[in-house]
Amino acid sequence: QKEVEQNSGPLSVPEGAIASLNCTYSDRGSQSFFWYRQYSGKSPELIMSIYSNGDKEDGRFTAQLNKASQYVSLLIRDSQPSDSATYLCAVGFQKLVFGTGTRLLVSP
Amino acid sequence: NAGVTQTPKFRILKIGQSMTLQCTQDMNHNYMYWYRQDPGMGLKLIYYSVGAGITDKGEVPNGYNVSRSTTEDFPLRLELAAPSQTSVYFCASSYRLRDETQYFGPGTRLLVL
Repeated sequence: QKEVEQNSGPLSVPEGAIASLNCTYSDRGSQSFFWYRQYSGKSPELIMSIYSNGDKEDGRFTAQLNKASQYVSLLIRDSQPSDSATYLCAVGFQKLVFGTGTRLLVSP
Repeated sequence: NAGVTQTPKFRILKIGQSMTLQCTQDMNHNYMYWYRQDPGMGLKLIYYSVGAGITDKGEVPNGYNVSRSTTEDFPLRLELAAPSQTSVYFCASSYRLRDETQYFGPGTRLLVL
């Protein structure tokens, strides 16, 4: 059974701080890694994708991948109240396996 | 482009009833997926399709059926609805099967009583 593990949270950070979201996965053959953001009652939307070890930056978001440790993370710099949502980690080769998500709360 | 559209938005079914959840995409994507999301849980893959006429089971296919007669449409059929099928159903599509963003529809909330 391929598994993707995330801390359910909530992770509470003040506005302007860095939020760090973590995800571990069980399938060493996984080659694609995604972070989706899901607001309450809405559908998931892609935030970041990463395929190789290291960091990938896009605006305030940085995805980090360590395949040896089977670990992927998402850093959100200068967190805003509008970042408050559930963040889903998804891992896969052909079919994605989703984690249960981490709820992030950014307080003004 | 409308992207991925789903109908209905919300439906209440009685145990044993059947229904079809509709999904349409206008991005000419070959790959389409059906997921269910239970409260506080991640997405579970029900079925997916790699093109018209080709479908395959995902992680939780029992109690569901799909068909893919066109590139645009990928309906999900529930036969003999059960309370365990109460969930939010998301349809998604992507251009390629791997290494590719999946675009999600707005979801269908289903309640089976």
